[in-house]
Amino acid sequence: GQNIDQPTEMTATEGAIVQINCTYQTSGFNGLFWYQQHAGEAPTFLSYNVLDGLEEKGRFSSFLSRSKGYSYLLLKELQMKDSASYLCAVRNSGNTPLVFGKGTRLSVIA
Amino acid sequence: GAGVSQSPSNKVTEKGKDVELRCDPISGHTALYWYRQSLGQGLEFLIYFQGNSAPDKSGLPSDRFSAERTGGSVSTLTIQRTQQEDSAVYLCASRKTGNNEKLFFGSGTQLSVL
Repeated sequence: GQNIDQPTEMTATEGAIVQINCTYQTSGFNGLFWYQQHAGEAPTFLSYNVLDGLEEKGRFSSFLSRSKGYSYLLLKELQMKDSASYLCAVRNSGNTPLVFGKGTRLSVIA
Repeated sequence: GAGVSQSPSNKVTEKGKDVELRCDPISGHTALYWYRQSLGQGLEFLIYFQGNSAPDKSGLPSDRFSAERTGGSVSTLTIQRTQQEDSAVYLCASRKTGNNEKLFFGSGTQLSVL
């Protein structure tokens, strides 16, 4: 079977740092994606990891450990506009469809 | 076009009616996906088209659901004899061929079955 777990909700303060974790058990692995989805809008791509380690892109970073089936998304210098759902998704192999977790709803408060 | 376009953005229908949802992918994208997102649930894969290959229909929840992709471009998702549990946001996404190519999503069709 395939299972992707992430916390349902998180709250963090403006200007702070937040880490959103994702664990996965899938039949294969060919990449992990993070997407951001604001309420009522389409998901938009944030990051892609296929090798172990940290990928940094501005205020957002994503980490992958394939041996542990674990990833996290790190958001720094939080802004109110970062309030959204963050979706973790895994590709098993080749061009197979992404399998998504249920998403983590992040609320940034003043 | 500049992005993935879906229509209609909202559809309200009566139980038992058929509905058609349309997706216009980004020009040149060979892969097209349909997902469904229900309240509080993750994105549920429905069907996947890749070039001229036979579509992967493994995610379709019942035989009331079908999809076509004509000319390798526009796709239509059809739901026959709609049920209340079909109410959800139906998202279409497209991407280029390649392992690390990201999905580009449309804004979705909010389907409400009364």
